[in-house]
Amino acid sequence: KNQVEQSPQSLIILEGKNCTLQCNYTVSPFSNLRWYKQDTGRGPVSLTIMTFSENTKSNGRYTATLDADTKQSSLHITASQLSDSASYICVVRDQTGANNLFFGTGTRLTVIP
Amino acid sequence: EPEVTQTPSHQVTQMGQEVILRCVPISNHLYFYWYRQILGQKVEFLVSFYNNEISEKSEIFDDQFSVERPDGSNFTLKIRSTKLEDSAMYFCASSSRKGTSGGNTGELFFGEGSRLTVL
Repeated sequence: KNQVEQSPQSLIILEGKNCTLQCNYTVSPFSNLRWYKQDTGRGPVSLTIMTFSENTKSNGRYTATLDADTKQSSLHITASQLSDSASYICVVRDQTGANNLFFGTGTRLTVIP
Repeated sequence: EPEVTQTPSHQVTQMGQEVILRCVPISNHLYFYWYRQILGQKVEFLVSFYNNEISEKSEIFDDQFSVERPDGSNFTLKIRSTKLEDSAMYFCASSSRKGTSGGNTGELFFGEGSRLTVL
């Protein structure tokens, strides 16, 4: 069964600290994996996309990694800011079509001053 | 920067009433989607739409739901007779191309959502 599991469910960190969010998936055949940021009451916004051949990709203070062998991805946030407080959702697409997106339940990150 | 817009941002309705949620996708996009997110739960796929017809729908998208693209810009989701369990955030999304194994990433651009509360 195609699933996407994220951990931790929630995380509280001090402003300026780093954190790492995890995503494990069983989606097959794999096409790509995106990390989305969803502010409270807003729509998800794409942060980064990882395809099968990519191991790491950065977008500012966000760095995503992908291990396609173990089917794991991580999102590392460096020097966190208060505005990083949001839910971070891992979404995996399989190769069968446009609609086969599998959403994780997200990690709720709270950055406190 | 082009964006997906949704109206209303919040709608409160009585159980059994009809609701129409509206979306204006990004203008050059061809694929349109509705998702919903019940409070505290994951985003769930409802339906996709391409070339003026439904291309796929989930089990959630039963006979109470319908979608329409009445003109060249709007994309609507109708719930004919709302139930309490329809209370959720409904997200419209669009993409310029279909995601495939050939490398097209088919990024979805989401709207801000319409919060539906059924009393």
